[in-house]
Amino acid sequence: EAGVAQSPRYKIIEKRQSVAFWCNPISGHATLYWYQQILGQGPKLLIQFQNNGVVDDSQLPKDRFSAERLKGVDSTLKIQPAKLEDSAVYLCASRAQGGAGELFFGEGSRLTVL
Amino acid sequence: LAKTTQPISMDSYEGQEVNITCSHNNIATNDYITWYQQFPSQGPRFIIQGYKTKVTNEVASLFIPADRKSSTLSLPRVSLSDTAVYYCLVGGDNQGGKLIFGQGTELSVKP
Repeated sequence: EAGVAQSPRYKIIEKRQSVAFWCNPISGHATLYWYQQILGQGPKLLIQFQNNGVVDDSQLPKDRFSAERLKGVDSTLKIQPAKLEDSAVYLCASRAQGGAGELFFGEGSRLTVL
Repeated sequence: LAKTTQPISMDSYEGQEVNITCSHNNIATNDYITWYQQFPSQGPRFIIQGYKTKVTNEVASLFIPADRKSSTLSLPRVSLSDTAVYYCLVGGDNQGGKLIFGQGTELSVKP
């Protein structure tokens, strides 16, 4: 079974530029999460999708971050314009329908903002 | 959402049993307790999940007392490769599956 795929693995940009991250969850998984993990901290939930609808985006800085999950499969997370404090690893995770059960994570996309 | 509290770091030696305790005083009735392991430059990986009493799998055991206000992850006979950050999460259907990570416990296993 293929795992959660993310790209790119690494990205370096200058502040005020834009960047986009892509995630393809495990086939059939209805729930998709984007987390931001700053070095030395636990992952912080940015947004949660159930199929193609947003369940929770209370922690998403909506003035610069946006995310979509068209067709309820893969998802993109965009940052525009980027700030220095956006330097982090962006993790995508998916889970089959339901509130319990295992969360499957991708390897993450490491963003460095200069 | 139930907040979790764990020790920031723990040290152990190879072959020892390690117990990491997580406090979650305001856990809700429908919440499950789940533990994840994370190595550097990797996403977190599921270890074990439970609702009450004791759960055991091939890598760990999870002990949950009757009041469910805490839980203990037990790693038997750790090796150097168990050096990682361990996260305790509490959540369930009542939050739509929302899962919040805390600071985690950085376990260092020494030879």
